[in-house]
Amino acid sequence: ETGVTQSPTHLIKTRGQQVTLRCSSQSGHNTVSWYQQALGQGPQFIFQYYREEENGRGNFPPRFSGLQFPNYSSELNVNALELDDSALYLCASSLSPLAGASYNEQFFGPGTRLTVL
Amino acid sequence: DQQVKQNSPSLSVQEGRISILNCDYTNSMFDYFLWYKKYPAEGPTFLISISSIKDKNEDGRFTVFLNKSAKHLSLHIVPSQPGDSAVYFCAAENNAGNMLTFGGGTRLMVKP
Repeated sequence: ETGVTQSPTHLIKTRGQQVTLRCSSQSGHNTVSWYQQALGQGPQFIFQYYREEENGRGNFPPRFSGLQFPNYSSELNVNALELDDSALYLCASSLSPLAGASYNEQFFGPGTRLTVL
Repeated sequence: DQQVKQNSPSLSVQEGRISILNCDYTNSMFDYFLWYKKYPAEGPTFLISISSIKDKNEDGRFTVFLNKSAKHLSLHIVPSQPGDSAVYFCAAENNAGNMLTFGGGTRLMVKP
């Protein structure tokens, strides 16, 4: 069984640039969620994708967008980067309650550390 | 506003003793609670969970207690081991099932 993988591991960008982060789901999982973890804080929910559509969104502006592909892998795109976007970005995969799972037990990847200068 | 709070940023415990990590929540719609452990340079790893219809769930050295009336849960680790040293996050979910709300984390240090 393959776990959740994320790429790249680290990334440095400058203000105003755009970034794409990638995530491969754990085998058998059909749902991907993205979280932002700022230094010293808990992860904050960005959004979730199920069946290639957004299935819930946290309090993040529209410049945070995502995609889910037919193989359930996912991308997180952030446009017009700001200094406060510097954080660890975590991807989590799960089996959706909509597909019969009891609860959305999520399995996390190692994260991508984004630094915005 | 923080719907899930872990008021102790850090906890230090002697090896072999009990570790108790606490978590409070405000949203009464939460009905499923989870604890995650996180080592540096790794993603959070699921540890144990509890449904709101229970008040206790046990898995080996780990026990989670839920007090719904107080909106409080705790994680007990007995006996604590040096390998348990990590950051512990509690998280909550409602039955819509599409997001976890995390607390800020507690760094546990277990001293040999």
